[in-house]
Order: sequence, then C-alpha cells, then structure tokens
Amino acid sequence: SQQGEEDPQALSIQEGENATMNCSYKTSINNLQWYRQNSGRGLVHLILIRSNEREKHSGRLRVTLDTSKKSSSLLITASRAADTASYFCAHRGGSNYKLTFGKGTLLTVNP
Amino acid sequence: DVKVTQSSRYLVKRTGEKVFLECVQDMDHENMFWYRQDPGLGLRLIYFSYDVKMKEKGDIPEGYSVSREKKERFSLILESASTNQTSMYLCASSLSPGLGSMDQPQHFGDGTRLSIL
Repeated sequence: SQQGEEDPQALSIQEGENATMNCSYKTSINNLQWYRQNSGRGLVHLILIRSNEREKHSGRLRVTLDTSKKSSSLLITASRAADTASYFCAHRGGSNYKLTFGKGTLLTVNP
Repeated sequence: DVKVTQSSRYLVKRTGEKVFLECVQDMDHENMFWYRQDPGLGLRLIYFSYDVKMKEKGDIPEGYSVSREKKERFSLILESASTNQTSMYLCASSLSPGLGSMDQPQHFGDGTRLSIL
C-alpha cells in the first residue's frame, strides 16, 4: 500500500509552544486530510486541503501542501496540554472511497 | 453530529472462534470502512462498502469477511480467529463524493480492542 509517512514519529513540547508535523506521500492526490486520535479513542477529522490549495487555516491549525514535493505540514500554534494526541495524515488518490493513512506522530504537550 | 457506534470497546475470544464486530452509523452515510490499527503500522484498511450488499477488499482482507445488509450497519467477521488478529479495530463512515465535491471526511467509532487467546 502507498502509505504516507509522518515525521517526526514523536514530538514533545511545552505548553504554549508551536508544534509542526510533516507528512510525505508517494502518489498523486485529490486531497490530503489530517486527523487526531486521543489515547484509546477513534480518529477525529481536523482539516482537509485540496490538491489545488497551498495553505489552509482552522483556528490554531495551519496546514500547507506542496504537491511538487508530495508533502504536507500541520502546524499547531500555542499548544495546550489537551492537544496531546496522535496526529495522522491521510490522502485520497484516484479512488473515490479510500483514504491511505500514515503511521502518525505522537504529540505530547507538557503543562 | 455523526455518531459511529461500535458494539464493544473490549473483546476477548479464543483461537478458532468465529468473531463478529458490529458497527452502526446514524447519518445515512453510503460508505463504511473497517480498519485495524497496530503499533508501528498505522491504520490499514481491511474492507469497505459503498452501498448495501456491496463490498470491496482493502489492503489486508485475508482472514476477514464483511456483511452489509442494511445501510446503517457494517459487520466485520473473523471466520476463524487467530492470535495475529489481536488488534484495535476501527470502523468509519463517510458520505459518497457528491457532484463537484470529492471532499468527504471519514467519521470514526471509538474502536474495539480485540484480544485472541
């Protein structure tokens, strides 16, 4: 499968700092999505960026997409302890239905 | 809000048993998905369904089957459970891409942590 890859695998920061996570993928895409997973729970959709967009904002989240490099980044500004979670990127390629998920970045925000 | 409900949060079964995992969504979504999640491997798609009685294999269908008799319910079946099927199983649903829009996020249940002894 053409899994995406998040980088880093784990990130530990202090409350108030910014957190940046990166995602690379291998195929052409229609859109790229970011999800959050709290420990022991399901995934929650955060933000979607289309292949013809370069940047998108939602609250404290900023996502960029560089299709020439097949990469995306998720920036969380002014992090909070409640942001502690795993973050996954997922992309949709030619199929109308399937998302391909990366392996995730575990973010720990220390109070 | 969309609600995806998985019947069990934790389940313990024995090798060789037939195991049923149930998933129900309440938003009339056309698409439903079953994933397994393992440390270091991320989410891997087992099967998905884009309509009642329709199914397609995902990336790791071996040892599994699915059933979708009603739009809101999607069942994952382990025909003869084995220890390597011990995992977290996640169900998700989504709308089908509509005219002019391919942008349909997936909505997940809280998962079933299945242990096969």
